Amino acid sequence: EDQVTQSPEALRLQEGESSSLNCSYTVSGLRGLFWYRQDPGKGPEFLFTLYSAGEEKEKERLKATLTKKESFLHITAPKPEDSATYLCAVQGGGQNFVFGPGTRLSVLP
Amino acid sequence: AAGVIQSPRHLIKEKRETATLKCYPIPRHDTVYWYQQGPGQDPQFLISFYEKMQSDKGSIPDRFSAQQFSDYHSELNMSSLELGDSALYFCASSLGRLAAQETQYFGPGTRLLVL
Repeated sequence: EDQVTQSPEALRLQEGESSSLNCSYTVSGLRGLFWYRQDPGKGPEFLFTLYSAGEEKEKERLKATLTKKESFLHITAPKPEDSATYLCAVQGGGQNFVFGPGTRLSVLP
Repeated sequence: AAGVIQSPRHLIKEKRETATLKCYPIPRHDTVYWYQQGPGQDPQFLISFYEKMQSDKGSIPDRFSAQQFSDYHSELNMSSLELGDSALYFCASSLGRLAAQETQYFGPGTRLLVL
């Protein structure tokens, strides 16, 4: 059964304090690993798709990396507007998306 | 750019009533997914459709049904509503079933409250 765990559950950072969020997964036949940002009461907003180990993608202050067992979302010099829940999801051979529980990020000014 | 549209955005129903949620995918997207997200929980996959046919089924209760129409919009029909059905219901769409096209883009959600 495909499974996704994320750590930490919650993270508080000072503005400008870089850190990383972890997504660990077990899946049969990874088709893709996805990162989303979700603000309270809103739909998940797509950030990145990673397909194979070693792949990296960047967007503004965010960088996502992928290994065979986990993915990291690195946040460089975060700002208060980066505060949100960050969700990781995987899609395996069964094709359904399986979401992790998310990491609640708070960036304090 | 056009996004996924969901209606209504908010819905209040009594127990044992029925509800219909609608989803309009991004233009040219042919695959639609439905998710249920309870408070403080991650989205749980309910059901998906590809080219108007059901493609995958997740944890969708037997009281719920869904379909995708010829214009690719989808409707989630919920009957005999229970208090536990109160949640955010998200629709997502993607372009095709090829690996490079399966990124799902989510709508703003419908908040259902069952009293």
